[in-house]
Amino acid sequence: GAVVSQHPSWVICKSGTSVKIECRSLDFQATTMFWYRQFPKQSLMLMATSNEGSKATYEQGVEKDKFLINHASLTLSTLTVTSAHPEDSSFYICSAPIAAGVRGTDTQYFGPGTRLTVL
Amino acid sequence: GDSVTQMEGPVTLSEEAFLTINCTYTATGYPSLFWYVQYPGEGLQLLLKATKADDKGSNKGFEATYRKETTSFHLEKGSVQVSDSAVYFCALSSYSSASKIIFGSGTRLSIRP
Repeated sequence: GAVVSQHPSWVICKSGTSVKIECRSLDFQATTMFWYRQFPKQSLMLMATSNEGSKATYEQGVEKDKFLINHASLTLSTLTVTSAHPEDSSFYICSAPIAAGVRGTDTQYFGPGTRLTVL
Repeated sequence: GDSVTQMEGPVTLSEEAFLTINCTYTATGYPSLFWYVQYPGEGLQLLLKATKADDKGSNKGFEATYRKETTSFHLEKGSVQVSDSAVYFCALSSYSSASKIIFGSGTRLSIRP
């Protein structure tokens, strides 16, 4: 089946630094990818939709200048947490859909997640 | 907007017990419905899905039927195993949300031997 990878799987950084997380679709192309955030023992919250060749679309309440998204190619999207603070510590998950066609339903494939800890 | 509501956990059952995790949704149009599972220390996996009313999704002994009249997609399994211990998420995707997945809050399931 389709595979989505994330790198790094975990990262620890100091407050005030920026951290980049990569999301790759390994065996398919994805013009759209999604970024989620999951707090401990809570659900996934959609942060933004990453669009290849254009600007990302952010969900209400998500700071676009804080969470920079770049969809550089059909297989790579990056999320950069700028000037990270301890409250940004979380589990970040990306997903990429494979279109099923006009009458079908896209199938989403999720990456394994990246755990960010900001000290 | 679109939303998913599922029963709160944690749910603790004995092995071979019957499982039901309730899920209801609110959506415009005709969403696709999903159950995802997250095993300890692993990423999210699609467990089953249904794309139209009265469809039944099934996988690994789990079943869920898309009930449009009650806007529900309850997850059931006749006999749970210890290996089913995980967090289960009900979710939907509709064309109005451009294939975005909207998740419920998740239900943590623990199975006692």
